[in-house]
Amino acid sequence: DTGVSQDPRHKITKRGQNVTFRCDPISEHNRLYWYRQTLGQGPEFLTYFQNEAQLEKSRLLSDRFSAERPKGSFSTLEIQRTEQGDSAMYLCASSSPLDYEQYFGPGTRLTVT
Amino acid sequence: DAKTTQPPSMDCAEGRAANLPCNHSTISGNEYVYWYRQIHSQGPQYIIHGLKNNETNEMASLIITEDRKSSTLILPHATLRDTAVYYCIVRASNSGNTPLVFGKGTRLSVIA
Repeated sequence: DTGVSQDPRHKITKRGQNVTFRCDPISEHNRLYWYRQTLGQGPEFLTYFQNEAQLEKSRLLSDRFSAERPKGSFSTLEIQRTEQGDSAMYLCASSSPLDYEQYFGPGTRLTVT
Repeated sequence: DAKTTQPPSMDCAEGRAANLPCNHSTISGNEYVYWYRQIHSQGPQYIIHGLKNNETNEMASLIITEDRKSSTLILPHATLRDTAVYYCIVRASNSGNTPLVFGKGTRLSVIA
């Protein structure tokens, strides 16, 4: 199965630490999305890329958050100086121009203690 | 994108049809109705989408009212594996190439 993969699946960190998550999209997909989901809520859009270009960032994406997709393939999402409010599931999705759906990965669950 | 309203939760007996409603009274003429679902601890999964006509695929059927202000997702023979949160999304694109705006969805519990 060559679906969207995310690493790690779970991350526990202490407040103030930096964390980085990785997303590997489906290989031919040029668009890659990051979403965040807190308990009991639907996923919320954070940012997305077309190839290596970051096209849009949500207001949810504070200065502590940065995302990259340097070669237009995998992407990383870094959170600096984590806060307890950053505890959430971080979801990655990818899509192609010819498709009508987004394909989601299993997510990375972040717990900030 | 137009807003949607869904009931927070529903129950369905295994083997029966599950009918999940969605209101989207402010939908525009060029906006599509999409349904995704999210099984516990997994990422969302596309189910079906439509513009005006009813649609059916191997997973579900989508019934859109004539005025397009509401729709119903039908799972014809619900199984325990259909227990999930179902999201109705209205968007002005027939492609996956724009961000999705999720609400809280409907939590469907299929009961044996």
